[in-house]
Amino acid sequence: TQLLEQSPQFLSIQEGENLTVYCNSSSVFSSLQWYRQEPGEGPVLLVTVVTGGEVKKLKRLTFQFGDARKDSSLHITAAQPGDTGLYLCALKRGSDAGNMLTFGGGTRLMVKP
Amino acid sequence: GAGVSQTPSNKVTEKGKYVELRCDPISGHTALYWYRQSLGQGPEFLIYFQGTGAADDSGLPNDRFFAVRPEGSVSTLKIQRTERGDSAVYLCASSSRTGNEQYFGPGTRLTVT
Repeated sequence: TQLLEQSPQFLSIQEGENLTVYCNSSSVFSSLQWYRQEPGEGPVLLVTVVTGGEVKKLKRLTFQFGDARKDSSLHITAAQPGDTGLYLCALKRGSDAGNMLTFGGGTRLMVKP
Repeated sequence: GAGVSQTPSNKVTEKGKYVELRCDPISGHTALYWYRQSLGQGPEFLIYFQGTGAADDSGLPNDRFFAVRPEGSVSTLKIQRTERGDSAVYLCASSSRTGNEQYFGPGTRLTVT
């Protein structure tokens, strides 16, 4: 059983459309991170959300942390081909022992021009 | 400045052979992580170093996998008697001791034939 479930697994849309992807768990998180990974590259951190109900914006990307801190969403407005990639949510486990990341399975997004 | 680098970028080996994968972290980063990413999935944690010591190796799948970081900088992931199921992208990440963000390398794509 995966700790973090991401949906949808795949999403193909046209340039200019809006989309939302989700990250859910049955457990409460202390914080959650979103990453974007392009082919042949490692994941790159987009944002960290910490507080229940928190909303963070990064240009056309809006990240929300659920009130109960068990889910999160990423909304992209007016998607562009450059948004194409694998979107991963992750939570950190451990504190004194380090910040190992547990990732969800990812949402693979393709934005067609 | 230079990011995390990994060599080789691609490695093809025969079942049963031994392989070594190298990671050069960002200079000054004391924490180093190895992850494995199978096709279509999110990365999975393997092992974490703080300095020269392996602080957590709970993600290593079995005793064929071993990693070292003898001088607290470069790390080598070693896989003995490779199996086809070991085929994946092996990602390395580094961070400062208390850093929130892990910086990932581009990965080594390992194919076991």
